[in-house]
Amino acid sequence: EPEVTQTPSHQVTQMGQEVILRCVPISNHLYFYWYRQILGQKVEFLVSFYNNEISEKSEIFDDQFSVERPDGSNFTLKIRSTKLEDSAMYFCASSLVGGLTDTQYFGPGTRLTVL
Amino acid sequence: SQQGEEDPQALSIQEGENATMNCSYKTSINNLQWYRQNSGRGLVHLILIRSNEREKHSGRLRVTLDTSKKSSSLLITASRAADTASYFCVPKGGFKTIFGAGTRLFVKA
Repeated sequence: EPEVTQTPSHQVTQMGQEVILRCVPISNHLYFYWYRQILGQKVEFLVSFYNNEISEKSEIFDDQFSVERPDGSNFTLKIRSTKLEDSAMYFCASSLVGGLTDTQYFGPGTRLTVL
Repeated sequence: SQQGEEDPQALSIQEGENATMNCSYKTSINNLQWYRQNSGRGLVHLILIRSNEREKHSGRLRVTLDTSKKSSSLLITASRAADTASYFCVPKGGFKTIFGAGTRLFVKA
């Protein structure tokens, strides 16, 4: 069964450094998403992406964040200057259909630790 | 807010028993979805029930929806240790998928 993959599984970085989290969505999916989950807290929506542009973003997704689909298979989340509070699990998801009836398929997550 | 509120916060049962989780929401919806998250891992979509449906089954899962009460329930029959996870309802009235705190289910072997 096709699945969403994410790399790396664990990323450790120093505060102020830039990180890029990578995702390979399911190949025929058209809608892509990033979420984060701080340890012990809710899964929080960050951004959705369709047709090479951001379709929605949350207030968390400020100027330090950016997303890109650099080729036909990867979907990346860049955090420009990491802060301690960016430490969290980051989940990528994709769906064939967007909007109200989307069924999102999630990757296993990347654990980001900012020191 | 489009977020669902799951109840109870935590549930502990013996293997073989049924588990029932409830969800309440505040907005009008097009559909309601349930997801599962095993500890610290990605979420798995379980089932989608449309606003004009009252009940839906998928394997050992049974979901009900009462739009007049703005509530839904998820029943897992004959639970297994592998069902231990957090369960989230997602009422979809808009395009964003918003997760609440979930119900943490623990199934004892």
